[in-house]
Amino acid sequence: SSELTQDPAVSVALGQTVRITCQGDSLRSYYASWYQQKPGQAPVLVIYGKNNRPSGIPDRFSGSSSGNTASLTITGAQAEDEADYYCNSRDSSGNLVVFGGGTKLTVL
Amino acid sequence: EVQLVESGGGLVQPGGSLRLSCAASGFTFSSYEMNWVRQAPGKGLEWVSYISSSGSTIYYADSVKGRFTISRDNAKNSLYLQMNSLRAEDTAVYYCARDITFGYETAFDIWGQGTMVTVSS
Repeated sequence: SSELTQDPAVSVALGQTVRITCQGDSLRSYYASWYQQKPGQAPVLVIYGKNNRPSGIPDRFSGSSSGNTASLTITGAQAEDEADYYCNSRDSSGNLVVFGGGTKLTVL
Repeated sequence: EVQLVESGGGLVQPGGSLRLSCAASGFTFSSYEMNWVRQAPGKGLEWVSYISSSGSTIYYADSVKGRFTISRDNAKNSLYLQMNSLRAEDTAVYYCARDITFGYETAFDIWGQGTMVTVSS
């Protein structure tokens, strides 16, 4: 199986733009999805596929990909965006699922 | 309302067994692939197992292969995880998650609230 690597922590000033990245060899073949998790709550899907947002997810969340790196961008970060963010994708076999280690986002 | 509700967690001794259930409602359960994902206390998400909509295709993470068994009953709109030979490192919140993977996209769009499994003597 392959691994997905995320920075453990990122911070952003209120209203500014932040990019959270996810690296892995399998991302050359498969799209990443992104999940937001707040303390004591289940994860919530925020971005999937090329750049798709589920219903109810604000349009300040967007996704992109280049080579072995997928990115989640929050344009105009809000206080309520402070959370842990996880990427996931398929491994190189295409059968198993892998998650990144997660990035803790702090909104200053 | 689309919903997943897990149950069956609890305290179990090392080497013991536990069966988790996930009840689905608000959508056509038999049309969706499903997964179990776990999260150890203070740690990240770890994918555990996948089952296709018919139950004919199943995958496991290496960490649970040979000890855990995923299954489903589409007539009862339910997903299960039979966990045997439990270890301390299996202690985690276990989530069931609906899979909307298509082609090169992998996504879990609906998650349950989770059920806690504690393996300790």
